Amino acid sequence: DAGITQSPRHKVTETGTPVTLRCHQTENHRYMYWYRQDPGHGLRLIHYSYGVKDTDKGEVSDGYSVSRSKTEDFLLTLESATSSQTSVYFCAISADPGYEQYFGPGTRLTVT
Amino acid sequence: KNEVEQSPQNLTAQEGEFITINCSYSVGISALHWLQQHPGGGIVSLFMLSSGKKKHGRLIATINIQEKHSSLHITASHPRDSAVYICAVRLPGTASKLTFGTGTRLQVTL
Repeated sequence: DAGITQSPRHKVTETGTPVTLRCHQTENHRYMYWYRQDPGHGLRLIHYSYGVKDTDKGEVSDGYSVSRSKTEDFLLTLESATSSQTSVYFCAISADPGYEQYFGPGTRLTVT
Repeated sequence: KNEVEQSPQNLTAQEGEFITINCSYSVGISALHWLQQHPGGGIVSLFMLSSGKKKHGRLIATINIQEKHSSLHITASHPRDSAVYICAVRLPGTASKLTFGTGTRLQVTL
């Protein structure tokens, strides 16, 4: 299994609070991705990174920001959480965009 | 309309049956992925293909680029194959982005 961890695995927070999710990899892969998964929708890309300090938006980036200061870590921040951001968040990595993506275990976030 | 459509949405089979899950997409693609999501939530990449056919154990994935269609077959199905199977496509010019189908939920019973 690819070495990808996510923390926390579960979190309950209140509307309006900031939240940061962490994705950590030990594979030295260049590309890292954050997705959200909701019932009735496929996985949707929030943001991705193609190198240290290099990031770009996905299809559902509003309300989210990311940072990547080291190859191994990719952080997803909800500046002010809303109930619509209740979801399961997956991190993924790949060595190259043309290669397979490997997924982390997911973080279940509930915003009350 | 979703760019990636999977059918069926739900599928129940008996152990030993041959299973087919379909994926259709509406635009030209550079690659197609099949993923498996376990009941516990973990997601595993099964195949990535851009033409022809790939086989791994009891799993076979095929793609017809002209018809914009892919199939995932499971031979001699087993209860441990119970999972959600997800199709995803990579569109040309979007090297880092995948577009996902909503998945096919498979239940294999004894």
